[in-house]
Amino acid sequence: SQTIHQWPATLVQPVGSPLSLECTVEGTSNPNLYWYRQAAGRGLQLLFYSVGIGQISSEVPQNLSASRPQDRQFILSSKKLLLSDSGFYLCAWSPDRDQPQHFGDGTRLSIL
Amino acid sequence: AQSVTQLGSHVSVSEGALVLLRCNYSSSVPPYLFWYVQYPNQGLQLLLKYTTGATLVKGINGFEAEFKKSETSFHLTKPSAHMSDAAEYFCAVSDSNYQLIWGAGTKLIIKP
Repeated sequence: SQTIHQWPATLVQPVGSPLSLECTVEGTSNPNLYWYRQAAGRGLQLLFYSVGIGQISSEVPQNLSASRPQDRQFILSSKKLLLSDSGFYLCAWSPDRDQPQHFGDGTRLSIL
Repeated sequence: AQSVTQLGSHVSVSEGALVLLRCNYSSSVPPYLFWYVQYPNQGLQLLLKYTTGATLVKGINGFEAEFKKSETSFHLTKPSAHMSDAAEYFCAVSDSNYQLIWGAGTKLIIKP
């Protein structure tokens, strides 16, 4: 069966520090991969999605970036974090665009 | 553009009572519709989905939803609430590119 892993589960970072969040999927090949941010009391905001290695689409301009160095690995990065980057970050995958998305357990990021 | 409206950021019901969570959408194409559940500090779990066919969709944990095209609605129901149903519920619709458009979520509170 397919599984998705996100780490770390929680992270506290100072303003201006770099960020790297990792997501991996097991048990499938060539998945569609997604990064979302969920701010407190709000819905999900799609940040990036990828349909294949090296193919990244950005939905919201910001100081975050994403990379897909391997088929089942999706990384969310920032060179300098802002206070507004705080939130709950969720990675998801789907077998194809018209299939339901399956979510990891999320990373709670706090910026001090 | 597609949009999703979930009526009520918080819904409170007594244990054993009917659960009704409302979702209305706008879509220029035949929609795919989804309900997800999120427990505290966890990712989202798919409850049920509508793509085509029967308009009454049954999901996990005793939940079901009915697609009503004339009302552009996809309300989530459960005949008898259980304490373990306390969570946040998200409705989503896929757009013409199969990206998910999310509602803001409804927190379900179960009173003993």
